[in-house]
Parts: sequence; C-alpha cells; structure tokens
Amino acid sequence: EAQVTQNPRYLITVTGKKLTVTCSQNMNHEYMSWYRQDPGLGLRQIYYSMNVEVTDKGDVPEGYKVSRKEKRNFPLILESPSPNQTSLYFCASSLQGVPFNYGYTFGSGTRLTVV
Amino acid sequence: GQQVMQIPQYQHVQEGEDFTTYCNSSTTLSNIQWYKQRPGGHPVFLIQLVKSGEVKKQKRLTFQFGEAKKNSSLHITATQTTDVGTYFCAGPRVSEGAQKLVFGQGTRLTINP
Repeated sequence: EAQVTQNPRYLITVTGKKLTVTCSQNMNHEYMSWYRQDPGLGLRQIYYSMNVEVTDKGDVPEGYKVSRKEKRNFPLILESPSPNQTSLYFCASSLQGVPFNYGYTFGSGTRLTVV
Repeated sequence: GQQVMQIPQYQHVQEGEDFTTYCNSSTTLSNIQWYKQRPGGHPVFLIQLVKSGEVKKQKRLTFQFGEAKKNSSLHITATQTTDVGTYFCAGPRVSEGAQKLVFGQGTRLTINP
C-alpha cells in the first residue's frame, strides 16, 4: 500500500531533550516536507526536500533540523525542544515539487507535547 | 511574502444545506490544490485546478479557479454528515529558488444532522 509512515504517533517529552520524528514513504516520491498544524494557523511548512541531499527551509524552520540521506526517509530533528514546539506534525510527500502538479500524500501525524 | 487566505474559518450548517469556502491569494497562482482533513485525521488530497476559470466537479463538490488565478472556491451541495472536517486550499510559492506549498488556514465544517 502506498503510504507515508510517521513515528511516533504521540510523544510527550521534556524541554531540552533531543528527539527525532521519523518519516518514510514507499512511493519513490522526490519531494518531501514537514508541516506543523496549530489551531487557527493552518498548516505551516517547516522544511522541505526536493531530492536526496537537497533540503531547504520552509516558513517556520527555527528550532528544527532535517536530513535527506535516502529518497524514502526524511526525519525531523528537534535538538532542544521547547514548549512552543508543542504541536501536531505532519510529514508529506509528492511525486515532484514545483509546479506541484501532484498532490501531497500525508502521514498520519505526530502529536508532540513538550513540557 | 505570498499569502493564502481562506474564509470563513468556521461554518456550521444543517444537514442538506449547501456550503462554500473561499480561498484568496495575494499573488497569481500557477495552480491550486484542495485537501480535506477529517476530525482526528490527516489532510487528504481532493483535487488540483490549473487553468484560469476552471471548474471541476466531484459528485456534490464543485471546485472553481478564478479567472485571474488568484482565488478559488469549494462548494458542497446538500451537505451530508460525511462532509464534516476541515477543508484547506494550497498554492505553490516559488521565489528565489524556494519551492513551497502554502496552505490557507482552513475552513472547519460542522453539520447538524
């Protein structure tokens, strides 16, 4: 089944403790992206990757890191999480990037709470 | 930078009533996409519009792209409880080499059965 797999689904952590949220897709998509969703703010792009070893900042990249060493994987790293990073996170992939002729496939989401 | 604004933020209707959400961009879009997110779920791609003035239908859903390619709408005829969720529009932002897909804030639809 074609899908984007995120783990974990839920995570509660403490301020400053490094964490990684994994994302993997099995559709051979070139473009992958991370979004955070907060009430009233919709989906805001954190980072994206147009292909292996090519990553770039989205609109809210502060406090996050990503890597794209393999085409299928695009982990999101929080080196020192803070409470304002409490949010619902989505990984998404698309066959290609601009001009985005293909829709995103989203993962099921990761609900992160930083205390 | 380019913004994608969506209205209304919330809409509550009686089952059987129609529903419309509007999406407006500050710049011309090459295309626009629509997604639906059920409560507790993840966004699911519905459709993409590319041409100026384009109209596409999916059963009771009608999607429209404005002539100037700066606005779009989603209209649902005779809503059903299965239509409950948040509807997002999204448009590409390409500037200075960046390739981003920018989402509107979404319209949350609730339905009274």
